[in-house]
Amino acid sequence: DAGVTQSPTHLIKTRGQQVTLRCSPKSGHDTVSWYQQALGQGPQFIFQYYEEEERQRGNFPDRFSGHQFPNYSSELNVNALLLGDSALYLCASSLDGTGGKKLFFGSGTQLSVL
Amino acid sequence: GENVGLHLPTLSVQEGDNSIINCAYSNSASDYFIWYKQESGKGPQFIIDIRSNMDKRQGQRVTVLLNKTVKHLSLQIAATQPGDSAVYFCAENQGGSEKLVFGKGTKLTVNP
Repeated sequence: DAGVTQSPTHLIKTRGQQVTLRCSPKSGHDTVSWYQQALGQGPQFIFQYYEEEERQRGNFPDRFSGHQFPNYSSELNVNALLLGDSALYLCASSLDGTGGKKLFFGSGTQLSVL
Repeated sequence: GENVGLHLPTLSVQEGDNSIINCAYSNSASDYFIWYKQESGKGPQFIIDIRSNMDKRQGQRVTVLLNKTVKHLSLQIAATQPGDSAVYFCAENQGGSEKLVFGKGTKLTVNP
């Protein structure tokens, strides 16, 4: 049973560029959430996708956008990259309706913006 | 506003001792709490969760205690092992919201 998989594992970009991160949820899960984790901090909620729609969004600018595909996989897009966007980007999946918010996380994509 | 914090940023224990990691939360509307373990270079790994209608829940070598009166959560690890060394995060969720709000984390170091 594959867990949450993310790609790429590491990425280096320069300011102003755009980036796309990818996530495949745990088998049987239908909901995908994205979190940003700065060094030494806890993860911060970016948004959640369910039924191919953004269901809830955290306090992140419109430069951060996403998509969910019919197979439940998801992408996170960040435009006009800033130095401050350097962080570990975590994807988490869950099964809607199971109660609680028990998320299963991938290992993340480490994004460095130079 | 929402805030989940930890009393101690670091904790060092001897192998075989019991560890207690504490967490305070400020959102009295939170009704679900969860502990994660994060090892270097990995994503957070689920440890144990608890709903607000409970005050204690036990897992394998771990126990979570919830005190709603003082808005405090703790994670107890019995017979701590070197493999338990990691950063531990508590997170809370308010019913109706999809997001987990994480604290900054406590780094647990287990000395052999």
